[in-house]
Amino acid sequence: SYVLTQPPSVSVAPGQTARITCGGNNIGSKSVHWYQQKPGQAPVLVVYDDSDRPSGIPERFSGSNSGNTATLTISRVEAGDEADYYCQVWDSSSDHPYVFGTGTKVTVL
Amino acid sequence: QVQLVQSGAEVKKPGSSVKVSCKASGGTFSSYAISWVRQAPGQGLEWMGGIIPIFGTANYAQKFQGRVTITADKSTSTAYMELSSLRSEDTAVYYCAREGAGAAADTYYFDYWGQGTLVTVSS
Repeated sequence: SYVLTQPPSVSVAPGQTARITCGGNNIGSKSVHWYQQKPGQAPVLVVYDDSDRPSGIPERFSGSNSGNTATLTISRVEAGDEADYYCQVWDSSSDHPYVFGTGTKVTVL
Repeated sequence: QVQLVQSGAEVKKPGSSVKVSCKASGGTFSSYAISWVRQAPGQGLEWMGGIIPIFGTANYAQKFQGRVTITADKSTSTAYMELSSLRSEDTAVYYCAREGAGAAADTYYFDYWGQGTLVTVSS
């Protein structure tokens, strides 16, 4: 089955840029979606189709995808961005087509 | 605005079953797939299965085949997830989520989520 690998943690100072990677075999050929999850809350979609933002998501959140790595970039990081972030793809060849990454904890210093 | 409201927390004995509900409002319930995703304490997200209410047929991750049943009641815009033969490893927060379709073919994501239901399995 398809595997998505994320770094367990990323630390960033307020106002700086956080980059969260999501590795997968030829992931550039798939569409990648990203979720933010704060403690005790349900996940929230922040980027879909590699780089599109749902209504209400700040422009500070952006995404890219090429080769074997997709990246979620959070610009001008704020304290409120501290959360777990998960990438996700849809793998039609798998019995569990919704594949989630391992998750990355973003800590704002 | 679409809302998914789930039933409350449950405490169950090992070997028993649990049924969690997910009531949708603010959208066209029957036309969108509803999935169930669980998250064990301190762990990541795991897709269990889903259903498209208008068709009524569900599909499940192999890991849960035979133990999970997902149904939908179009008349009340409610989806259900029943998990049987519970064991301690099933202790988790269970989420329902509505499927959105990407611009490309064969890509889907979850655009709306329920608030989650904590199921605790303990003797």
